[in-house]
Amino acid sequence: QVQLQQSGEELAKPGSSVKLSCKASGYMFTRYYISWIKQTTGQGLEYIGDINTESGGTNYNEKFKGKATLTVDKSSSTAFMQLSSLTPDDSAVYYCARGVDVWGQGASVTVSS
Amino acid sequence: DIQMTQSPSLLSASVGDRVTLNCRASQKIYKSLAWYQQKLGEAPKLLIYNANSFQAGIPSRFSGSGSVTDFTLTISSLQPEDVATYFCQQYYTGTWTFGGGTRLELK
Repeated sequence: QVQLQQSGEELAKPGSSVKLSCKASGYMFTRYYISWIKQTTGQGLEYIGDINTESGGTNYNEKFKGKATLTVDKSSSTAFMQLSSLTPDDSAVYYCARGVDVWGQGASVTVSS
Repeated sequence: DIQMTQSPSLLSASVGDRVTLNCRASQKIYKSLAWYQQKLGEAPKLLIYNANSFQAGIPSRFSGSGSVTDFTLTISSLQPEDVATYFCQQYYTGTWTFGGGTRLELK
């Protein structure tokens, strides 16, 4: 069946980077964009951006420009999101999604010294 | 960005009740609206898209209505497994935005 499998929980130090993955299965990967969403208790759900899985073209929410970098590996049907210069405000659950209908299970990122 | 406002933020209802959740967009989004259910520790699950289209596999007690700026999610007969937080989301613009959620609990 169609699913997005995300990488596991991350514990990171302030100032470091993490790279999350989102592996697609059950459909033709390059037919759909992949979007990334951040969820925190305080800020709710926030759209980070999306990537055209065929061309690699990206669209970022202004708030996350410079924080998130989206890439894709078509050979493995996997999308990636790198978060850089981490601060405690980046602690959240991050989801990838195919359109509105298929979401990954989420990946928890905790930034703490 | 388009702001999405949900009301109420907390709703208590009894099993069998008809429940109505509201969502308002700060700009016209026509029918580019989705509703999600999120249970604790789980990813959001799509219930309704295009304001009133049913996602496959979702119980028929869930329905969506509205257009342009005002939208409603209705649960016709509340079941215990419907306890969750419900979010609306607009995808009219390239930057999706979400409502703050309505937490639904049993009375």
